[in-house]
Amino acid sequence: GAVVSQHPSRVICKSGTSVKIECRSLDFQATTMFWYRQFPKQSLMLMATSNEGSKATYEQGVEKDKFLINHASLTLSTLTVTSAHPEDSSFYICSARVVMSYEQYFGPGTRLTVT
Amino acid sequence: AQTVTQSQPEMSVQEAETVTLSCTYDTSESDYYLFWYKQPPSRQMILVIRQEAYKQQNATENRFSVNFQKAAKSFSLKISDSQLGDAAMYFCALKTYLSNFGNEKLTFGTGTRLTIIP
Repeated sequence: GAVVSQHPSRVICKSGTSVKIECRSLDFQATTMFWYRQFPKQSLMLMATSNEGSKATYEQGVEKDKFLINHASLTLSTLTVTSAHPEDSSFYICSARVVMSYEQYFGPGTRLTVT
Repeated sequence: AQTVTQSQPEMSVQEAETVTLSCTYDTSESDYYLFWYKQPPSRQMILVIRQEAYKQQNATENRFSVNFQKAAKSFSLKISDSQLGDAAMYFCALKTYLSNFGNEKLTFGTGTRLTIIP
């Protein structure tokens, strides 16, 4: 089956610094990747949709200058949290859609803690 | 706007018994997909079952089946012969059909935590 990896799985950073999270589709090409945020004991909220070679589309209320998304290849998308603050602490999950399919495969998530 | 509602925050079932998780949704689209995802303690989202809205037949995957009532906008998940490994958070999700495979949105419900009692 299709496998999506995320790196790192856990990261702790200091307030004011930036952190980059990678999302890779390991055995398939993904023209579209999605970034979600999940607060403790809550549902997944879509942050942005990332299409290979074009700018990401952000959901309403998501600061595009704070959450920078790059989808430079068919197997890699990155989310950079810039000038992180404690309120950015959360679980970030990416998913990738197989080309010409409606199926999304999810990565294992990245737990970000900002101190 | 799309909404997905799961009215049962928590459910429990005896091992080997059957349990049904409820989900209702709302969308103005005529073509869409419905999903049930499982999120175990590892937090890895796992697709359990998928239903295309244009199909009248309810989807089935081994011990998992759905009761899709399109007119009522209801999409419940039935787990038969519950096993300890079924313990997880279950999310119902809705995705609208897009002919150009362009931007889309998967809207999740708030989840139901399922506990299996040995």
